[in-house]
Amino acid sequence: AQSVTQLDSQVPVFEEAPVELRCNYSSSVSVYLFWYVQYPNQGLQLLLKYLSGSTLVKGINGFEAEFNKSQTSFHLRKPSVHISDTAEYFCAVSDLVKDNQGGKLIFGQGTELSVKP
Amino acid sequence: DGGITQSPKYLFRKEGQNVTLSCEQNLNHDAMYWYRQDPGQGLRLIYYSQIVNDFQKGDIAEGYSVSREKKESFPLTVTSAQKNPTAFYLCASHGLTRNEQFFGPGTRLTVL
Repeated sequence: AQSVTQLDSQVPVFEEAPVELRCNYSSSVSVYLFWYVQYPNQGLQLLLKYLSGSTLVKGINGFEAEFNKSQTSFHLRKPSVHISDTAEYFCAVSDLVKDNQGGKLIFGQGTELSVKP
Repeated sequence: DGGITQSPKYLFRKEGQNVTLSCEQNLNHDAMYWYRQDPGQGLRLIYYSQIVNDFQKGDIAEGYSVSREKKESFPLTVTSAQKNPTAFYLCASHGLTRNEQFFGPGTRLTVL
């Protein structure tokens, strides 16, 4: 069975500092990997995704993530955060399914990023 | 603009009452999903549907029911059998040619 572990439930950081949100997954098959962001009382918005190809994936709002197959990790990074990046971040994994149908998402428990001035 | 709408945004019900949450999408997506979100637990899958008139249970289906009579609509009923229904509910959809799910704004249900 697949699972996702987000290693930090809360990450406080000062504005303009770099940040890394850690995500590890377990799966016996090849997977797609995603990072979503959720602002308070809102739905989830896709930040970036890894499907195949280059292991460094760039997303919106200056975020990027690196897929590391040997370590089964997909950590999210940003070199300089803003106050507006304060939100909850979710890592998710889904099976590769035939015919590009994608699959069900398995989510991590979320990481609350708090950016302080 | 294409997207997913959920209504209402906030919903209050008395214990023992059934309540139905609405989810509508105009993205022409075949697959739709319902998730429940509780603090510190991430999102857990309640039900999903990959085609009209068909749906499958997710990880926490007990106390919930769904229908999928139209491609664009996937309502969720929270029944009185759900022991702890107070939560934030998120609907999502997924197209056959895309790899990510798109989410609605959510409905916060509070049972008093």
